[in-house]
Amino acid sequence: SQTIHQWPATLVQPVGSPLSLECTVEGTSNPNLYWYRQAAGRGLQLLFYSVGIGQISSEVPQNLSASRPQDRQFILSSKKLLLSDSGFYLCAWSVGLLYGYTFGSGTRLTVV
Amino acid sequence: GENVEQHPSTLSVQEGDSAVIKCTYSDSASNYFPWYKQELGKRPQLIIDIRSNVGEKKDQRIAVTLNKTAKHFSLHITETQPEDSAVYFCAASVYSSASKIIFGSGTRLSIRP
Repeated sequence: SQTIHQWPATLVQPVGSPLSLECTVEGTSNPNLYWYRQAAGRGLQLLFYSVGIGQISSEVPQNLSASRPQDRQFILSSKKLLLSDSGFYLCAWSVGLLYGYTFGSGTRLTVV
Repeated sequence: GENVEQHPSTLSVQEGDSAVIKCTYSDSASNYFPWYKQELGKRPQLIIDIRSNVGEKKDQRIAVTLNKTAKHFSLHITETQPEDSAVYFCAASVYSSASKIIFGSGTRLSIRP
């Protein structure tokens, strides 16, 4: 069966520090991968999505970036965190068209 | 691009009553409409979805309806129970190679005992 792993679960980082969040999927090949952010009490904002290795599409301008070095690995990064980067970061995957996502367990990031 | 609006933002109903959440979308090409439930501090989970070739779908106490002409869709929960308390998100997707899903802003549903 397919599983999605996301870590770390929680993270507290100072302003200006770098960030690296990792997401991996098991049990499937060539998944579509997504990064969403959820601010406290808010909706789900699509940040990046990828349909294949090295293929990244950005949905909103920000100081974050994403990379997909392997088929089932998706990384969210920042060189310098801002206070506004705080939130709940969710990785998700899907296979095929017209199917819903399966979300990872999320990373709660607090920038202090 | 696609824009999904969701109402109401908060909803409180008596246990046993019905709850209805409504959403509208902007892109007439959207053809997949999932609904997610998110409990406090947890990941969103798919509870039901509907495709554009059907107008209604039911799964026990949950039903979704879709009106493609008006570009709106709704979630109906009957005989609500305390465990239905959560945030519910509607979403819409356009058939494409990326199949990215755009979410509504969410409805916080509270069930009063």
